[in-house]
Amino acid sequence: GAGVSQSPSNKVTEKGKDVELRCDPISGHTALYWYRQSLGQGLEFLIYFQGNSAPDKSGLPSDRFSAERTGGSVSTLTIQRTQQEDSAVYLCASSLVEQGSSGNTIYFGEGSWLTVV
Amino acid sequence: SQQGEEDPQALSIQEGENATMNCSYKTSINNLQWYRQNSGRGLVHLILIRSNEREKHSGRLRVTLDTSKKSSSLLITASRAADTASYFCATPESRGYSTLTFGKGTMLLVSP
Repeated sequence: GAGVSQSPSNKVTEKGKDVELRCDPISGHTALYWYRQSLGQGLEFLIYFQGNSAPDKSGLPSDRFSAERTGGSVSTLTIQRTQQEDSAVYLCASSLVEQGSSGNTIYFGEGSWLTVV
Repeated sequence: SQQGEEDPQALSIQEGENATMNCSYKTSINNLQWYRQNSGRGLVHLILIRSNEREKHSGRLRVTLDTSKKSSSLLITASRAADTASYFCATPESRGYSTLTFGKGTMLLVSP
């Protein structure tokens, strides 16, 4: 597709249930990122995938959070046993090369708004 | 870890006025970027400035970078109601250069 695609756009789930959020990055982008943004807050880094390298999981807040990226393209963020504090917008982004060393742009999806009730 | 911090947290101006937002960061960087976010959804890249640049322009946007003060500013000239959004600065994560760290943003409201 033309941009980063995320689904679902909105998800309401009951506390304790598992949720899966999907991200389809821009074709050809080797780097994929997940961020979380709580209401009125900045972006919190969760996880980063770059090519075939081991992902940088250092931002995942607990072991209830996991993510995978299959075939170097689509990524799924899974939250197990959801808690109310998990309510946030989950933003996926991708870039062509590793961010920072050459200063390339990160392109964001529209996000998945998760509400845990 | 919080790298960039925007100031002010909120800014309200009239159409036609200029809007200035500031960003401070803590560690050495090789670039700094500004993003815009409408209604809490996806972010859109506005401009990137490298550490060897002091000023950069893009349309009505002007960005400055002062590496000695570890600060940057974003100026929007002749603002329009459509500029209403949150603006974030982003810098390479201090633990490495694989990710960006974002501040909490400045919420800009431009009234007609």
